[in-house]
Amino acid sequence: GNSVTQMEGPVTLSEEAFLTINCTYTATGYPSLFWYVQYPGEGLQLLLKATKADDKGSNKGFEATYRKETTSFHLEKGSVQVSDSAVYFCALSVPGGSYIPTFGRGTSLIVHP
Amino acid sequence: DGGITQSPKYLFRKEGQNVTLSCEQNLNHDAMYWYRQDPGQGLRLIYYSQIVNDFQKGDIAEGYSVSREKKESFPLTVTSAQKNPTAFYLCATGGRTQYSNQPQHFGDGTRLSIL
Repeated sequence: GNSVTQMEGPVTLSEEAFLTINCTYTATGYPSLFWYVQYPGEGLQLLLKATKADDKGSNKGFEATYRKETTSFHLEKGSVQVSDSAVYFCALSVPGGSYIPTFGRGTSLIVHP
Repeated sequence: DGGITQSPKYLFRKEGQNVTLSCEQNLNHDAMYWYRQDPGQGLRLIYYSQIVNDFQKGDIAEGYSVSREKKESFPLTVTSAQKNPTAFYLCATGGRTQYSNQPQHFGDGTRLSIL
């Protein structure tokens, strides 16, 4: 079956630090990969996506590259802000079938001033 | 603006009571989903529906029921059989099954607590 593994949190950083949140996956077929962000008390919002190998998704200073050889989709940001404090979810979906995405357990990010 | 509206934002359930969470969308998406989120946990799928008048159980359907009479609406009922209903409930929508490269869209959630 499909699965997504994320690094456990919380990840605690100082403002302007470099961020990496690791995500690896197993999937049948050729999945599309997503990062979602959830701010406190809200639903999930799409942060970025990549639909094929070597694609790089980017948004709001965040980036992630679809690495088929290592089955990874790590999220990075060069300089985090306090406002980036949230929970980040890695997810995949595979063509056809019932289109039920597979989500990771989420990684909490806390950024201190 | 297009989006997903969940109501109410907060809901309290008494012992033995059924409660219904509303989810309405104007994105014209075919598929709708209900997830449960517990503190520090990921998302767990309760039910999903890909077309009107059809729905399937997810991983944790026991104690819940749904209906899909209109494309825009997918209400979730938390029945008295669900002994631990306290959680954050998220409704989501998505496109047709072949468009797997499209993301899901989420509402802002309903927080359910036991009185």
